[in-house]
Order: sequence, then structure tokens, then C-alpha cells
Amino acid sequence: GAGVSQSPRYKVAKRGQDVALRCDPISGHVSLFWYQQALGQGPEFLTYFQNEAQLDKSGLPSDRFFAERPEGSVSTLKIQRTQQEDSAVYLCASSLGGDRDTIYFGEGSWLTVV
Amino acid sequence: GNSVTQMEGPVTLSEEAFLTINCTYTATGYPSLFWYVQYPGEGLQLLLKATKADDKGSNKGFEATYRKETTSFHLEKGSVQVSDSAVYFCALSDTGYQKVTFGTGTKLQVIP
Repeated sequence: GAGVSQSPRYKVAKRGQDVALRCDPISGHVSLFWYQQALGQGPEFLTYFQNEAQLDKSGLPSDRFFAERPEGSVSTLKIQRTQQEDSAVYLCASSLGGDRDTIYFGEGSWLTVV
Repeated sequence: GNSVTQMEGPVTLSEEAFLTINCTYTATGYPSLFWYVQYPGEGLQLLLKATKADDKGSNKGFEATYRKETTSFHLEKGSVQVSDSAVYFCALSDTGYQKVTFGTGTKLQVIP
């Protein structure tokens, strides 16, 4: 497709379950980002990939959060043993990679942990 | 570290009113500045951007000017419409790989 695609759009998980969120960036985009947006807040940076290399994971809140992009295109954000405070919208974004290039965001995956 | 401060909402305006949403920033380098918009039920969309001092970003009647001396990037529109109702985020990036720091967002509601 033309834009950044994320799935699932909505996910309800029981506390303690593992979840996996998928991101399909725009074709040819080198840079890929994951953000977490809590209700009523601005997005917070989680992690950054340049192709398949994860160059910054400073925003991941705990070791329960793990992201990968093994072939430099599709990325998966995995959250293990989900907790209620993980409830948020998880946004994926991509860009061509130049430092002034436009960043395009997906519609997000809404995670609710009950 | 980097931070963005924007005026708290919600902001409620009548159609055709003038809009200003204030935004100031703190950055360690020389950032690019952005306004993003999030319509109800939709993802973040880039509204406008400016990459250097005194640049004016504009789109859909919205404007913002990069003011380095006051570290500000206020969003303005001369005449708002009901369809402009959304949440507006001021943001910056100043790393080599575009790590974006967002403000908390300002909800705008335009009533007929």
C-alpha cells in the first residue's frame, strides 16, 4: 500500500499475555520508528531501526519490550507478560532516512490490557 | 535533553475565528520543527514543518514560523472550520536520524 500499515488495529490482551504488533513501512523506507502514545498524551519514542539494525532502543520501558526488523522491511514489536500500564496506542513510522525527510506514521495499534 | 511545551487544551472556537496554538521548545542542537495533526480515529499526519530559522511552514491555511531567538513555533490559522477539529502536536527532531520529540497535544474543537 501507499502508507505505513499496522496490524492488528485493536488488541485486547489479558494481563500476563504476550502480544506482537506488526508494522509494514512504506516500500523503500530505510528508517523505522516505534512510538507509544498513552491516552491524552503525545507519542513517546521507543526504538529506531536503520534497515535491519536497531540503532536506538533507549525508549523501551522495560526488558518485556522487544522489537525486530530482520530483513530491513517489516517490523514487529513484542510485549511479553503484558501489564495494565502497557495499554496505549503503538505507532509505527518510517522515512527514507535523510535527516530532513518526512516521517510517515501509521494509524497505530490500540492495545488494551485487562 | 529535548522538550516541547505547547498550550493546554481544549481550545474551543467558533467557525471562522482566528487560531493560535503556542509552542516553545528546548533542544541541544539545531532542530527541525513540526506540527502534526490527529483527526478523530485517524493516525498522525504531518501538517507542516520548518527546518531552519525564520522558515515559515504552511499547509491547508495553517502557518508556523521557526523563531530561533524565542525558541518558538506557534501555529496559526486565520479562519478555522469545523473540519479542523482535531488534536495538534508540536514536535521537533535534531538527531541525525530524526528521533522526534512531541508535545502533549492541544485539542481543538470548532463549533458552527
